[in-house]
Amino acid sequence: GAGVSQSPSNKVTEKGKDVELRCDPISGHTALYWYRQSLGQGLEFLIYFQGNSAPDKSGLPSDRFSAERTGGSVSTLTIQRTQQEDSAVYLCASSSLAGGINEQYFGPGTRLTVT
Amino acid sequence: GESVGLHLPTLSVQEGDNSIINCAYSNSASDYFIWYKQESGKGPQFIIDIRSNMDKRQGQRVTVLLNKTVKHLSLQIAATQPGDSAVYFCAENRGNQGGKLIFGQGTELSVKP
Repeated sequence: GAGVSQSPSNKVTEKGKDVELRCDPISGHTALYWYRQSLGQGLEFLIYFQGNSAPDKSGLPSDRFSAERTGGSVSTLTIQRTQQEDSAVYLCASSSLAGGINEQYFGPGTRLTVT
Repeated sequence: GESVGLHLPTLSVQEGDNSIINCAYSNSASDYFIWYKQESGKGPQFIIDIRSNMDKRQGQRVTVLLNKTVKHLSLQIAATQPGDSAVYFCAENRGNQGGKLIFGQGTELSVKP
């Protein structure tokens, strides 16, 4: 079966430009998460969507970051006016939360490089 | 601040030996823990999980131990193979913070043939 997919796999952008990153979760998974991973570091939580509930945006580092999830499926993470410190791998995960288990399945990530 | 952390950043073992990767957490409200394996250029891959009402769980060649008294989590890999070489992360789910996972910094496991 299809796993979590993300696009693009790599994105190089100039400082100050906006970027959009896409995540296609596993079909039927109600929960979707975005994380950021800097080189050699652990994963940093950004935002979490669960069903029709208001998203948990507590991890977004600034108001330049936003995300939406349309129709309870595909999600896009938008970074406006990109800065060099935004360079990282952006990972998306989804979970069914069946039985209260939060087993998150990750996509391959989008490597963002801001020049 | 509160965090999930790892005792050792790198671990090198001989092929066939057992590996033990450790993790410390600080929030007693955490109710669910997961170990992930991340190979270079890939997203984290689920290995095994454990709820806070358990102290041990076994999978195929892997065992997770949870000691809530000292807030310690470990991943044991039996008969380590070259394919086990990767970075291993522990993560915790704090029940009062919804679905987000808090990740540790990771331990790089290197298996020598």
